[in-house]
Amino acid sequence: SQTIHQWPATLVQPVGSPLSLECTVEGTSNPNLYWYRQAAGRGLQLLFYSVGIGQISSEVPQNLSASRPQDRQFILSSKKLLLSDSGFYLCAWTKGARDQPQHFGDGTRLSIL
Amino acid sequence: QKEVEQNSGPLSVPEGAIASLNCTYSDRGSQSFFWYRQYSGKSPELIMFIYSNGDKEDGRFTAQLNKASQYVSLLIRDSQPSDSATYLCAFQSGGSYIPTFGRGTSLIVHP
Repeated sequence: SQTIHQWPATLVQPVGSPLSLECTVEGTSNPNLYWYRQAAGRGLQLLFYSVGIGQISSEVPQNLSASRPQDRQFILSSKKLLLSDSGFYLCAWTKGARDQPQHFGDGTRLSIL
Repeated sequence: QKEVEQNSGPLSVPEGAIASLNCTYSDRGSQSFFWYRQYSGKSPELIMFIYSNGDKEDGRFTAQLNKASQYVSLLIRDSQPSDSATYLCAFQSGGSYIPTFGRGTSLIVHP
C-alpha cells in the first residue's frame, strides 16, 4: 500500500530564517505531488504541484519554492520566512494521472515568531 | 474563476440522524468530485469520490452528484459523535491535475 511521510510535525522558526520541509511517498511510482498551505480557519491554498522529477508548477507567487529531486520526494523551501508564512503545510500525492483523488500527509504546523 | 460553495456551518445533528452536506460548483467542465473529512488539527482524508451522475454508497456514506444543477452532496446515515469534523468538497475539471477545494462545512454530532 502507498504511504506518505511528511516532517517535521511542528516547527517554530524566527522571522527571516530559512525553511525546508520534506515529503516522501512510498509504494507507488510517478506520483503527482502537491504542497498546500492552510491558514487558521481558512481553506486549502495550493502552493506548488509537480507531475515529474524537476517539473514544478507554482500557483501562488511568494517567497517559497519547491523542488523534486527524486521521483517520490518533494521539498518546500524558503530562504527568508515572513510572519505571513505561518500555517499548516500539507503535502499530498495522487496517482500519475488526471482526475485522481488527493492523499494527504499528516502536515507540518509552522509558527513564525 | 472556478469556485466551490459550501455552507461553513456548523451543522448540528443528533446522534443517529442523517447529516446532509451540500456543495455547489461553478465549472460546468467538472468531471471529478471528492469529499474529504478533516478533524481539528489533522490533515484531510478522502471519504468518497464520484464521477457520474446519481448516487454512490459506501457504508454509512452516500455521495450524490447532479451535474445539471452543479451540486454534489454527502449524506451520513446514523451519524456518530466521531463524525464531528469539517467536510471539504473538491472538484476537478476534466483532464486536470488541480482540484478546487471548498472551505468546508463543520459538522457537529451531539449525543
